[in-house]
Amino acid sequence: DAKTTQPTSMDCAEGRAANLPCNHSTISGNEYVYWYRQIHSQGPQYIIHGLKNNETNEMASLIITEDRKSSTLILPHATLRDTAVYYCIVRVDLGGKLIFGQGTTLQVKP
Amino acid sequence: DAGVIQSPRHEVTEMGQEVTLRCKPISGHNSLFWYRQTMMRGLELLIYFNNNVPIDDSGMPEDRFSAKMPNASFSTLKIQPSEPRDSAVYFCASRTTGSGGNTIYFGEGSWLTVV
Repeated sequence: DAKTTQPTSMDCAEGRAANLPCNHSTISGNEYVYWYRQIHSQGPQYIIHGLKNNETNEMASLIITEDRKSSTLILPHATLRDTAVYYCIVRVDLGGKLIFGQGTTLQVKP
Repeated sequence: DAGVIQSPRHEVTEMGQEVTLRCKPISGHNSLFWYRQTMMRGLELLIYFNNNVPIDDSGMPEDRFSAKMPNASFSTLKIQPSEPRDSAVYFCASRTTGSGGNTIYFGEGSWLTVV
């Protein structure tokens, strides 16, 4: 699975959009981009995933660049409860395992 | 639907004792994963099963660790003998490999402290 690079930490004001970047320059054509988050003391939680096209669900939007070498997770209206570690993971869709990096610690501030 | 269920949620044990962590995956899921999380090493995959068969145990730290999946609804992770460096949060996760099987669901973890 391709390696990902994320900033260690980010801050966001409550109510504003949080934009979390991820670089995956060695991504292969059959690899998907997945985002998970982990709120303190809880198990990781799936957010969204995509291959080429931008994706949106009730939690977030995923913007993937045309060359697929980077992506951005967007939380449109961040709340204090969105404070968590966000993991960007690249893997083959039906591959067995998720390998977690260090992620981005997002702090949403009042 | 019930999520992935882990037990115990918290355990404190003495060095040298045997520790058994238990996991019930989501009904119908046929892949199961055990992860360990520490501050120093983050989230590490220990082992995963497909259809009750261990597929990749390369993350199992050493022979003191063993995992079994006797049936589709139950798995154990055993540490014998336990050591203080085994103190961590152990997560179990599951998913289905059928259609729509992109999402891996995690339990709430078992917090292990070895003193």
